[in-house]
Amino acid sequence: EVQLVESGGGLVQPGGSLRLSCAASGFTFSSYAMSWVRQAPGKGLEWVSAISGSGGSTYYADSVKGRFTISRDNSKNTLYLQMNSLRAEDTAVYYCAKDRTAVSDWYFDLWGRGTLVTVSS
Amino acid sequence: EIVMTQSPATLSVSPGERATLSCRASQSVSSNLAWYQQKPGQAPRLLIYGASTRATGIPARFSGSGSGTEFTLTISSLQSEDFAVYYCQQYNNWLPGTFGQGTKVEIK
Repeated sequence: EVQLVESGGGLVQPGGSLRLSCAASGFTFSSYAMSWVRQAPGKGLEWVSAISGSGGSTYYADSVKGRFTISRDNSKNTLYLQMNSLRAEDTAVYYCAKDRTAVSDWYFDLWGRGTLVTVSS
Repeated sequence: EIVMTQSPATLSVSPGERATLSCRASQSVSSNLAWYQQKPGQAPRLLIYGASTRATGIPARFSGSGSGTEFTLTISSLQSEDFAVYYCQQYNNWLPGTFGQGTKVEIK
């Protein structure tokens, strides 16, 4: 079955760290760029970070640059998001999302169910 | 950064009626525009890409049109399962690929 399954969310204090994971199955993971997209409670979608299929290129929204690090392990079919120096405004459901094609089109045909990150003291 | 503006914020429609949703870009994005549907508690689902191409498995009642800065998503005859929030996303100027704020389609 083609799917993405996120994990690693939870409650963390401001300034803390968290690492999210996204396990992929049912497709050739290394062929596709992947992204993290987040959604604050009751709000819209915000792209956070992206990584090329090989992992050689990474991209970040200005709001997380310098604090978050995206990576992937193609041998484990897993995408990661290391989140440091977390702020209250990072509170959101974090989705991993797959590019529709292998040409890095940067829109997404497969999404996980999301994992909730809550930053609060 | 390209700003995507969707209208209206909420659209009240009766089942079986036609729904027309708009998305405007602050600068041209050519045809590099996608539409997503999101139901409560669920992940977004890709409906349309390339402004007018339906994604795999999407019913023909969903259609997209437009290019440049003005885009439209039309649902020809609303079914009960179509009541949801719809987002547009431009991917012409990546970094970032920006989303609109969403249009909620609710039952009238």
